Amino acid sequence: AQSVTQPDIHITVSEGASLELRCNYSYGATPYLFWYVQSPGQGLQLLLKYFSGDTLVQGIKGFEAEFKRSQSSFNLRKPSVHWSDAAEYFCAVGAPSGGFKTIFGAGTRLFVKA
Amino acid sequence: EAQVTQNPRYLITVTGKKLTVTCSQNMNHEYMSWYRQDPGLGLRQIYYSMNVEVTDKGDVPEGYKVSRKEKRNFPLILESPSPNQTSLYFCASYRPGGTEAFFGQGTRLTVV
Repeated sequence: AQSVTQPDIHITVSEGASLELRCNYSYGATPYLFWYVQSPGQGLQLLLKYFSGDTLVQGIKGFEAEFKRSQSSFNLRKPSVHWSDAAEYFCAVGAPSGGFKTIFGAGTRLFVKA
Repeated sequence: EAQVTQNPRYLITVTGKKLTVTCSQNMNHEYMSWYRQDPGLGLRQIYYSMNVEVTDKGDVPEGYKVSRKEKRNFPLILESPSPNQTSLYFCASYRPGGTEAFFGQGTRLTVV
């Protein structure tokens, strides 16, 4: 069955520290991969996506993610976290043949310490 | 500005009283979808639509209906809401090919 696992329900990092949010997926082939961010009271905003090609993808707000096929992972990273990055982050997979059937992970809530 | 607009943003209703949550997009997208978001469960797809008059069930369709009479609108209908439908609902509209999704701001529904 297709699934997305985000092992960390919440993470706390200090402002200026680096960040890595984990995402593992189960899928029959290489899916489309996404990271979305949800700020309090807002809808989801796309941070970055991977379809094919270079396995390190750059996104908005200084985020990047690396696709590792051997580990079925698509971890999100940021070298230096800002207080405004505090939000909930969702990893998602979509089928190349019909990405509207997107499956989301349960989310990781990021807290940033001053 | 590209937008997905949901209304209302907040709604409290009583069990059994029919309600409709509207969703409208201005990007001429064919693909649209409804999700519910519950703590610890992420977003789960309720229904999706590939085009006008073409809809299909997602992962949690029970208790919901949708319609797609026009490309821009995709309302979610709860014919007889129950407390277990208390949730945060999101409408999404997708780029061609069903890749990147654009989300509305959400509707927080409470059924008492």
